[in-house]
Amino acid sequence: DTAVSQTPKYLVTQMGNDKSIKCEQNLGHDTMYWYKQDSKKFLKIMFSYNNKELIINETVPNRFSPKSPDKAHLNLHINSLELGDSAVYFCASSQGQGSSYNEQFFGPGTRLTVL
Amino acid sequence: AQSVAQPEDQVNVAEGNPLTVKCTYSVSGNPYLFWYVQYPNRGLQFLLKYITGDNLVKGSYGFEAEFNKSQTSFHLKKPSALVSDSALYFCAVRDRWGNAGKSTFGDGTTLTVKP
Repeated sequence: DTAVSQTPKYLVTQMGNDKSIKCEQNLGHDTMYWYKQDSKKFLKIMFSYNNKELIINETVPNRFSPKSPDKAHLNLHINSLELGDSAVYFCASSQGQGSSYNEQFFGPGTRLTVL
Repeated sequence: AQSVAQPEDQVNVAEGNPLTVKCTYSVSGNPYLFWYVQYPNRGLQFLLKYITGDNLVKGSYGFEAEFNKSQTSFHLKKPSALVSDSALYFCAVRDRWGNAGKSTFGDGTTLTVKP
């Protein structure tokens, strides 16, 4: 009955590889997010989708491409991985969009290590 | 533009003593304000939020926060700290009328409660 789930939990890969992280929420929310938490624990938003439509796209290299096949899923594909991509990536969801006052529900995170 | 400042990287308190984790914010309009907690190797969990109305907001695990519009602050408080409260705490702000629902998170404050 996990609310927001991510796979895999850990991902270790070589520089230059392409990898994907999957996220699913069973809360019926219509907005989903990807965040990056670096080694200093700083949390930065990367993308947000509402009903499969991209609504937030921060200054993220275009090697990162989110895809939302339906409103319960938001996947993150990363091309040509670099050392600086090593971080913990969190998926989150919330109900509503725009001026919504609803809180976000976070997944357990995916720890990506690029060697 | 919106921003959040958590002026203390670290807060140390003794068990049983009151605790305060500070947060100040800046938004162009009226804010929605949130506190989240992150335990080691876990995703963020929602604690409480300010939407409107009463300036004192009560949340999970005995935490509360006071919204102060004149000081643009939303400090997190608890009357009696527990060792299990030791975690990383994030304050977040969302502009009520814009920014596509984007939440901006502070840099986090590590709370350590000593027995």
